[in-house]
Amino acid sequence: NAGVMQNPRHLVRRRGQEARLRCSPMKGHSHVYWYRQLPEEGLKFMVYLQKENIIDESGMPKERFSAEFPKEGPSILRIQQVVRGDSAAYFCASSPEGLGSPLHFGNGTRLTVT
Amino acid sequence: GENVEQHPSTLSVQEGDSAVIKCTYSDSASNYFPWYKQELGKGPQLIIDIRSNVGEKKDQRIAVTLNKTAKHFSLHITETQPEDSAVYFCAARGRSQGNLIFGKGTKLSVKP
Repeated sequence: NAGVMQNPRHLVRRRGQEARLRCSPMKGHSHVYWYRQLPEEGLKFMVYLQKENIIDESGMPKERFSAEFPKEGPSILRIQQVVRGDSAAYFCASSPEGLGSPLHFGNGTRLTVT
Repeated sequence: GENVEQHPSTLSVQEGDSAVIKCTYSDSASNYFPWYKQELGKGPQLIIDIRSNVGEKKDQRIAVTLNKTAKHFSLHITETQPEDSAVYFCAARGRSQGNLIFGKGTKLSVKP
């Protein structure tokens, strides 16, 4: 059973470009979470999605950031018009259910904005 | 909302010694407390978790204790080995929430 798959592992974007980060949850998992990690810091919650629904986006910046988890295909975290401050590691986690289920993380996408 | 504090931020021990990492949380409704280990360049890996109806849980060299009254929980690693060197994160999840709130991490170094 493959784990949570994230791609790309590394992404370099110039200021003003768009970044698209993909996450395929573990087989059988229908809940996806996105977290951001700055160097030497903990993980900050961004958004929690179920298939075709955003459950909690309280941690996501109001502008430039969006997330989706369509019926078919991976979850996508999209950052428009990237700025240097967006440089970070972005981790996706999945769980089979929401409340009460352990979260399993992927190995992240490291975004660098030049 | 929930806030999780973690101490210490760095911890250095000799191989074979024990290591203890402590966390406090603010929301008394939180009921699930996992611990993750993160190695360089990788994602966090779940190593042990505890629910609010249990006071202690053990898995080989790793144990977690929970004090609901004081709102704190601790990770204990006994007989540490160099491969235990990593960053450890505690987290808490509220009763009505799906997401986890993380502490800032503890960088554990085990010296051979």
